[in-house]
Amino acid sequence: EDKVVQSPLSLVVHEGDTVTLNCSYEVTNFRSLLWYKQEKKAPTFLFMLTSSGIEKKSGRLSSILDKKELFSILNITATQTGDSAVYLCAVVAQGGSEKLVFGKGTKLTVNP
Amino acid sequence: GAVVSQHPSWVICKSGTSVKIECRSLDFQATTMFWYRQFPKQSLMLMATSNEGSKATYEQGVEKDKFLINHASLTLSTLTVTSAHPEDSSFYICSASPRAHYGYTFGSGTRLTVV
Repeated sequence: EDKVVQSPLSLVVHEGDTVTLNCSYEVTNFRSLLWYKQEKKAPTFLFMLTSSGIEKKSGRLSSILDKKELFSILNITATQTGDSAVYLCAVVAQGGSEKLVFGKGTKLTVNP
Repeated sequence: GAVVSQHPSWVICKSGTSVKIECRSLDFQATTMFWYRQFPKQSLMLMATSNEGSKATYEQGVEKDKFLINHASLTLSTLTVTSAHPEDSSFYICSASPRAHYGYTFGSGTRLTVV
């Protein structure tokens, strides 16, 4: 059974701190890994990673995938209160319907 | 691009009634859409995969007769919660992707409360 494990489950930091969120996975026929940010409603897309070792960057957020060790990290530098959200990691397996399998998420709270 | 619209945003219904939720891809065609359910402080759980022109594929433990899915066109999938009960109260979200190797976009979600 495909599985995605995120850690930590929750994290409280102060503005300006740098955080690293972890995502490990076990999936048959891995295709890609996605990171989402969920505030009050539906998740918003952050990154999609398919290749090992290639960092994806968007502003203060960056992410990288290690397909050998089966994990990914999401980094947020110089955190702001607006970064407070649940960050979800999901994997897509090849074949069939390419459904997303989600982890439980990391709840990040950034205090002023 | 890649916008998914979901309607309604919230609905309250009485036990025993049915509720229909719509998911539309606004600027792309989606042969496949996904329906998720999310309970408070839990992650998204895939309920079913909606396939245009054919039957939906349900995940283990999801009652297909209770959660009816129809994907009649390339831009619209509907989820009908039949004979709703309070335990069906949840946040339902759909998603779709305009093409392979592209991020999946989510609708804004529907908060269902059954009283």
